[in-house]
Amino acid sequence: EEQLVESGGGLVKPGGSLRLSCAASGFTFDSYSMNWVRQASGKGLEWVSSISSSSSYIYYADSVKGRFTISRDNAKNSLYLQMNSLRAADTAVYYCARDLEQHLAMDYWGQGILVTVSS
Amino acid sequence: AIQMTQSPSSLSASVGDRVTITCRASQGIRNDLGWYQQKPGKAPKLLIFAATSLQSGVPSRFSGSGSGTDFTLTISSLQPEDFATYYCLQDYNYPRTFGQGTKVEIK
Repeated sequence: EEQLVESGGGLVKPGGSLRLSCAASGFTFDSYSMNWVRQASGKGLEWVSSISSSSSYIYYADSVKGRFTISRDNAKNSLYLQMNSLRAADTAVYYCARDLEQHLAMDYWGQGILVTVSS
Repeated sequence: AIQMTQSPSSLSASVGDRVTITCRASQGIRNDLGWYQQKPGKAPKLLIFAATSLQSGVPSRFSGSGSGTDFTLTISSLQPEDFATYYCLQDYNYPRTFGQGTKVEIK
């Protein structure tokens, strides 16, 4: 069964850094593009970043460009999001999500991990 | 960035009702649109991809239509488990953009 499990969230001060991880299991990880999506409390969904299966293509939302870095380790079936220069506006639940193999649509999602940026 | 405008932002409906949610893109996106359902405290769930394709395991009462700039999600007969928030997401180009969501509440 396909599964995505996020870790690494928590409380961090403004200007600080955090690294999220997403462990994948139950599918051939290196065949799929992966994504990070976030949701502030009581708000809608916001796409954050995407990475292709071989890391050849990487995209970021303008709101995180230059501060966040997406990466993956296919040997470890893992996806990462390095978050630097964190702001209060980055406070949200962060989800990792897999794209379908043949279409850009997110068919499997992790349970989400809370990141709180506060002094 | 392509803007996705969803309407309505919320609606009240009864079990058995036919429900329609629309999403309009600020420019043409072919059929590169998906629909997602999210329940409180849970991750989103993919319902429809490529505007009209039903994701595996999703009940057939859900359907999608449209192409270009105007898209529709229809629930043919609302069930108790369908009360949730629904989002569209354009996958035509980056940055990928979600609609603001439609909350479907019990009447």
